[in-house]
Amino acid sequence: DVKVTQSSRYLVKRTGEKVFLECVQDMDHENMFWYRQDPGLGLRLIYFSYDVKMKEKGDIPEGYSVSREKKERFSLILESASTNQTSMYLCASSSIAGLSYNEQFFGPGTRLTVL
Amino acid sequence: KQEVTQIPAALSVPEGENLVLNCSFTDSAIYNLQWFRQDPGKGLTSLLLIQSSQREQTSGRLNASLDKSSGRSTLYIAASQPGDSATYLCAVMDNAGNMLTFGGGTRLMVKP
Repeated sequence: DVKVTQSSRYLVKRTGEKVFLECVQDMDHENMFWYRQDPGLGLRLIYFSYDVKMKEKGDIPEGYSVSREKKERFSLILESASTNQTSMYLCASSSIAGLSYNEQFFGPGTRLTVL
Repeated sequence: KQEVTQIPAALSVPEGENLVLNCSFTDSAIYNLQWFRQDPGKGLTSLLLIQSSQREQTSGRLNASLDKSSGRSTLYIAASQPGDSATYLCAVMDNAGNMLTFGGGTRLMVKP
């Protein structure tokens, strides 16, 4: 089974702090994604990566950056956290190989609160 | 820009009923469509994936259909159980095979 893990389930940070959210997948997937989920707004894509050191902006990249130094790990960085970044953050991965058809598999989520 | 709509937003049914969840999308040029389940405070669990060339997929009591030309998909749940209570999300993938666009979800409650 595909396993996508996220470094924290719950995180509380203060305004202005630099925040790192880590995601690791164990299935050698090429693609990795970061989403945020908010009530009434649904899931929105922040950034995705289709290869090591490659990144593409999603729908709402402002205020975020990402890093992918190794294939299995994709980090989301909040350079200076703000209260409007309080949200549930979800990581996902997918493979373009064979019959996987790019099916996305999600991690358990990190609920971030910025005070 | 792709827009995905799910109706109804919430549904409450007695145990044992068969039910249908609806998903519609505005741009029929899709790569695939996925149905997910999300329990409160948790991540998403992939239920079914339908390729753009397919009409339906089945897994146990779940059956998902896709009518790409009309921009619609349905998720059929047979003999519903209290354990099926969750939010169900559909998402369509763009033709480049990269980005998913999600619907707002249907919150299902199955009463014992």
